Order: sequence, then C-alpha cells, then structure tokens
Amino acid sequence: QKEVEQNSGPLSVPEGAIASLNCTYSDRGSQSFFWYRQYSGKSPELIMFIYSNGDKEDGRFTAQLNKASQYVSLLIRDSQPSDSATYLCAVNIDDSSASKIIFGSGTRLSIRP
Amino acid sequence: GAVVSQHPSWVICKSGTSVKIECRSLDFQATTMFWYRQFPKQSLMLMATSNEGSKATYEQGVEKDKFLINHASLTLSTLTVTSAHPEDSSFYICSARDPSQGDNYGYTFGSGTRLTVV
Repeated sequence: QKEVEQNSGPLSVPEGAIASLNCTYSDRGSQSFFWYRQYSGKSPELIMFIYSNGDKEDGRFTAQLNKASQYVSLLIRDSQPSDSATYLCAVNIDDSSASKIIFGSGTRLSIRP
Repeated sequence: GAVVSQHPSWVICKSGTSVKIECRSLDFQATTMFWYRQFPKQSLMLMATSNEGSKATYEQGVEKDKFLINHASLTLSTLTVTSAHPEDSSFYICSARDPSQGDNYGYTFGSGTRLTVV
C-alpha cells in the first residue's frame, strides 16, 4: 500500500524562527509533491508544489525534495502566529484509474508569540 | 485561479436518510474529481475518483453502494450518502482537477461539507 508519512506533532516553534516539516513517501514512481495548509474546520489550501530534486522557494516557504531518499520537507521562515495550522504532505499516485493524490496524516504546527 | 464550489457547507440528517453533496468546478472543465473524507484530528482519506461519463473508482474499503457518485457533466460531481448512520458523520471534501494548470495537476479543493447524522 502506498503511503505518506509525517510526524503528527505538535511542533512548537517561537515566532520569527524557522519551522521545519518533514515527509516521507513509499511510491518511487511519484512525480509531484504538495504541501497543503489546513486550518481547523476548513478545507486544505495549497502552499507549495515541487517536482524536481532540490529546493523551491516561494516567499517565506521553501520546499525541498530528495527523490533518492523519498523525502520532502517544508521550511517556513520568520514563522508567524498565523502559520499555526496543520500541514499536510501530499503525493501524486498514478494508477489505472487516474492520477490522484494521497495525503499524509499531517503535522500540527504551533507558533508561540 | 480555479474555483471549486461545494454545497452544502454543513448538513444534519436523521439516521437512515440519504444526503447529497454537490461539487462544481466554476471556471474550468473537470474531467476528474476526487472525494475525500476527514474524521476529526485525522488526515484526508481518498474515497473515490470520479470520471466524467464513466463509473467512479472507489478506494479499498469504501462501499460503492453506500457512497453513490455521479459525474454526469464536466462541471458537476455529486456524492450521495445513502442510509446514513452516525458513523458516517464526517467532513467530506471534493477536489477537482484542472488539466490546464500544468505540472501541479490543478488539484483545487472545495470548501467541504460537514455531515452530522443524528
């Protein structure tokens, strides 16, 4: 069974510091990787996507991908209280039905003032 | 950007009744839509993949006769929870795929439907 693993947290980070979120996946055939942010009671919103090995930066967010190690991470610089949420790692899976994405269990991030 | 509208945002129904949830792509044609379920403090679990004009593909362990999916047009997919029971109470979220969005595969999520079965 294809899986996406995340540390459930909670991860507590002081305001202004760097938050580091990690994710591993089992399907070596996966090509695209996503980080979603989900506030309580809301649906997920896309933060970053990455499909090439290395780093991808967008504002305060940096996604890192290492396909050889099957590892994806998200760094949040200058963490703000509004970053407190659950962060979901998602990976695309191609099978006979369609290309679809499956999610990890999510990491709860808490930014303390 | 791509917008997915989901309705209703919340619904309460009596045990044994059926509930229909709609998912619409507002500014693009969605050949594929996905239905997820999320229990409190858990992640999103993919229930099924809905393909326009053909039968939905259900994930292992999901009862296709209980969760009826219809994707009759390129902008609308519906999920009907039949004979709902309290254990079906959950947050149901749809996702539609916009093929024109390139490498990120255009996965846009609806706002979700909170179903409570009493």
